[in-house]
Amino acid sequence: AQSVTQLGSHVSVSEGALVLLRCNYSSSVPPYLFWYVQYPNQGLQLLLKYTSAATLVKGINGFEAEFKKSETSFHLTKPSAHMSDAAEYFCAVSGVDDKIIFGKGTRLHILP
Amino acid sequence: DAGVIQSPRHEVTEMGQEVTLRCKPISGHNSLFWYRQTMMRGLELLIYFNNNVPIDDSGMPEDRFSAKMPNASFSTLKIQPSEPRDSAVYFCASSGRQSGAEAFFGQGTRLTVV
Repeated sequence: AQSVTQLGSHVSVSEGALVLLRCNYSSSVPPYLFWYVQYPNQGLQLLLKYTSAATLVKGINGFEAEFKKSETSFHLTKPSAHMSDAAEYFCAVSGVDDKIIFGKGTRLHILP
Repeated sequence: DAGVIQSPRHEVTEMGQEVTLRCKPISGHNSLFWYRQTMMRGLELLIYFNNNVPIDDSGMPEDRFSAKMPNASFSTLKIQPSEPRDSAVYFCASSGRQSGAEAFFGQGTRLTVV
């Protein structure tokens, strides 16, 4: 069975600083991995996804994530945080059954 | 396409009443998911349909919850009877046919049971 662990339910960074949100996965088959963002009172929208084509995946709004099989990780990064990045971020995994399982989320706070 | 459409956006009901949440997936998508989001438990997968057939309902909390997908363009999640602990935001999502397809989410239904 697939699962996802997101380290840190809250992360605070200063505006302009590096954003790093951590995600580790468990899957018995090569996984598909996703990062989603949720703004207040809205649904989730896709930031980026890994489907085995390239280990470094670039997404929207300057975010990227690197798939590291040896570490079973798929951490999300952005070089320079912007106030508009404040939101909740979810890592998700799916396998051969196409069922998509989400982590518990990390709320990103941007400090002025 | 208008995206995944959920109704109602907000629902307030009294304990013991029946609640029905509705979802229209994106046309052409063959997988549909119902999730529940709470502060304590995060985003939980309740049930997953593929080609209108329930594939995995292991996340449905108890018999008070039921879900149907009578055709490719409509699904319902019903709670009968409702309880205060069912208060949450319920999301419907759909995804396409290819492996590794991402899920597209609706705006959610905020359910409050008083």
